[in-house]
Amino acid sequence: SAVISQKPSRDICQRGTSLTIQCQVDSQVTMMFWYRQQPGQSLTLIATANQGSEATYESGFVIDKFPISRPNLTFSTLTVSNMSPEDSSIYLCSVTRDRGETQYFGPGTRLLVL
Amino acid sequence: DAKTTQPPSMDCAEGRAANLPCNHSTISGNEYVYWYRQIHSQGPQYIIHGLKNNETNEMASLIITEDRKSSTLILPHATLRDTAVYYCIVRSSEPDAGGTSYGKLTFGQGTILTVHP
Repeated sequence: SAVISQKPSRDICQRGTSLTIQCQVDSQVTMMFWYRQQPGQSLTLIATANQGSEATYESGFVIDKFPISRPNLTFSTLTVSNMSPEDSSIYLCSVTRDRGETQYFGPGTRLLVL
Repeated sequence: DAKTTQPPSMDCAEGRAANLPCNHSTISGNEYVYWYRQIHSQGPQYIIHGLKNNETNEMASLIITEDRKSSTLILPHATLRDTAVYYCIVRSSEPDAGGTSYGKLTFGQGTILTVHP
């Protein structure tokens, strides 16, 4: 398995501001993903973070709202831009060591937008 | 990826086996069945996965029917700490034509398992 940490673990933000969430893995991984879990809902994939190239976004998610960086094989960031109360969710980082391998999840970042 | 159907909720007595069913009637030959669980306020935890043979690890057993259209996750001796949402997910092990779904997990609503004393 992989040990995944996320910072911050939780935050309360004002609407219109932006928050950057960090994901750190204890070893190199091939694929990193960002998910969102809205209150009372299941997980939804936002994007795949690609090392050395732009992230691949799922339908309904755009780079301007959720810019993602992945500077190396152990670290990624997700920014939630121009936040509104509808962005209040848990944001989860997930990784696989290689394509087709088991996917592991971080503890999540709980975001409340007022 | 194929879709899955799970009961929205189940109850189980502590110490008894919990049997969680999952239907995946449109599963294709290169798709694995994965099980995760999410305990309240935590990230999903990997439990087990399989292709067509039954699998067992320290957490659970996975029974897949011969036609692969359904499976059952078995927690042999449920404890109160097993109370969680359990997700059954079908995941491709090979790139698709567009290469867009490879390796991704698509979560459904899962089964809320409540283990009671």
